[in-house]
Amino acid sequence: AQTVTQSQPEMSVQEAETVTLSCTYDTSESDYYLFWYKQPPSRQMILVIRQEAYKQQNATENRFSVNFQKAAKSFSLKISDSQLGDAAMYFCAYRRSGAQKLVFGQGTRLTINP
Amino acid sequence: DGGITQSPKYLFRKEGQNVTLSCEQNLNHDAMYWYRQDPGQGLRLIYYSQIVNDFQKGDIAEGYSVSREKKESFPLTVTSAQKNPTAFYLCASSISSGSSYNEQFFGPGTRLTVL
Repeated sequence: AQTVTQSQPEMSVQEAETVTLSCTYDTSESDYYLFWYKQPPSRQMILVIRQEAYKQQNATENRFSVNFQKAAKSFSLKISDSQLGDAAMYFCAYRRSGAQKLVFGQGTRLTINP
Repeated sequence: DGGITQSPKYLFRKEGQNVTLSCEQNLNHDAMYWYRQDPGQGLRLIYYSQIVNDFQKGDIAEGYSVSREKKESFPLTVTSAQKNPTAFYLCASSISSGSSYNEQFFGPGTRLTVL
């Protein structure tokens, strides 16, 4: 069974600094998709960024980028120029190609210090 | 505006009672999902439906039931058989399993508390 592990329960960063959230996953599949979701205090899940496993180029969305290491099964999220609005729980998620199910990690709570 | 609505936002239930959580979407998505979130844990899949009148169990379906009579609606019933129903419940939808990313869009959630 596929599993997703986020080894950092909590992280904090100074406003305007850069922070990296870690995510590793376990799968025997070669074709899959990876996602980072943000859950602010409102608890609404918001998609931050996504990556297809067969694409070697790392995805970027404005201040958010990923470091996708397929061989190492690692999918970290980098947030540049951190803003107070980035404070939230961040969840890494995996979906096998053709499957419906998203497998989530346990989450990392990110605090932004002004 | 297109989106997913869940109601109510907060729900209280006495032990032994069944309760139904509503989920409606106007995104014209084929697939819909129910997740449960407990403190300190990620989301776990309860049920999902790829098409009207069809649904499949997820990882933690025991004590829950669903129906999918309309494309827009996917209500979740928490039955008295669910031993620990207090949790935050999230509904999601996606275009279809045929799309590449098939990214899921989430509703605002329902907080269920059993008294």
